Amino acid sequence: GAVVSQHPSWVICKSGTSVKIECRSLDFQATTMFWYRQFPKQSLMLMATSNEGSKATYEQGVEKDKFLINHASLTLSTLTVTSAHPEDSSFYICSAGLLASDGELFFGEGSRLTVL
Amino acid sequence: GQQVMQIPQYQHVQEGEDFTTYCNSSTTLSNIQWYKQRPGGHPVFLIQLVKSGEVKKQKRLTFQFGEAKKNSSLHITATQTTDVGTYFCAASGGYNKLIFGAGTRLAVHP
Repeated sequence: GAVVSQHPSWVICKSGTSVKIECRSLDFQATTMFWYRQFPKQSLMLMATSNEGSKATYEQGVEKDKFLINHASLTLSTLTVTSAHPEDSSFYICSAGLLASDGELFFGEGSRLTVL
Repeated sequence: GQQVMQIPQYQHVQEGEDFTTYCNSSTTLSNIQWYKQRPGGHPVFLIQLVKSGEVKKQKRLTFQFGEAKKNSSLHITATQTTDVGTYFCAASGGYNKLIFGAGTRLAVHP
């Protein structure tokens, strides 16, 4: 089946720095990808829809200048957390905008960000 | 926007006992999906329900979609320690976007 890969799996950074997370579709082209955020023991919250070749669509309450999304190719979307602060520490997960025949939506493995 | 309420938040069972988690929506859902997330892992797709009143089984797991397509349940018979994790229901938020329920964390004690 389709595979979505995220990198890095873990990242620790200092407060004030920026961190880039990559989401790649390995064996298919994804014109749309989705970015979710999950705090410990909480649900997945949709942050934004990444659209290839155009601006991302952000969910209400998500700061677009804080979470920069770039979808420059059909196989890669990136999420950059700018000027990270400890409250940005979270699990970030991407999914491809592609459904399998049984409705499955393919998720990346997730990236755990810790901001010191 | 679309919301799904999921209960309970947490369930602690002895191995061999049954477990059920419920999802409810105030609006009619086009479909509902169920995912399992192990601690430290990412959500893994279990199933999608589309039809009113649909019931699907996967070994010890039984999934139901309500007649009005506003509620769904996941029932695990005779839980095992391998069933530990958080179970999420998720509804379509339009074009392959998913809106997740709060999740039910299942702990199974041997």
